[in-house]
Amino acid sequence: GAVVSQHPSRVICKSGTSVKIECRSLDFQATTMFWYRQFPKKSLMLMATSNEGSKATYEQGVEKDKFLINHASLTLSTLTVTSAHPEDSSFYICSALAGGRYEQYFGPGTRLTVT
Amino acid sequence: GENVEQHPSTLSVQEGDSAVIKCTYSDSASNYFPWYKQELGKRPQLIIDIRSNVGEKKDQRIAVTLNKTAKHFSLHITETQPEDSAVYFCAANLFGGYNKLIFGAGTRLAVHP
Repeated sequence: GAVVSQHPSRVICKSGTSVKIECRSLDFQATTMFWYRQFPKKSLMLMATSNEGSKATYEQGVEKDKFLINHASLTLSTLTVTSAHPEDSSFYICSALAGGRYEQYFGPGTRLTVT
Repeated sequence: GENVEQHPSTLSVQEGDSAVIKCTYSDSASNYFPWYKQELGKRPQLIIDIRSNVGEKKDQRIAVTLNKTAKHFSLHITETQPEDSAVYFCAANLFGGYNKLIFGAGTRLAVHP
């Protein structure tokens, strides 16, 4: 149980384009999903908290108009990187939290490369 | 802001030895402390967690201890094996409850045969 998938696993895009990353909880309902960014050999940096049916809460310094988050259902959250630039290249990971539970389960991550 | 400090940043042990990683947290409201193992290019995997109502939890070769008064918790791995080599992250929930996690900086553990 507690499986989280993420798609795509890798994506290469050109500067100025937008990229959408999907995060799905496969065998449980996720009332809350989190989006992280991880630089090489660094820790997980929380970008935003996504609650089903409401607007995402962004961490300080994260541009909400650049990183659009939608949590349309209890099993799906999406992160759209808009007008991507090379500095947006990173490993993006989501995690999901079931209602009434403390444990967060992570997706496999998406490696984004912006050329 | 609230933070979690983790030490050491790197740890090298011989196969069969024990490894200990320590974390301290600042948020007095934190009541959930998970540990994640992350292999290169892979997702963080929850390996053990502890809640504030207990002082120790064990699962085979892995144990976690918590000292709420001192606000620190530790991961203990006994009889280490080469497959234990990975980066380990501790975390604490911010404000307690079913909330976001604050992660430590990570410990790169290398187990040498």
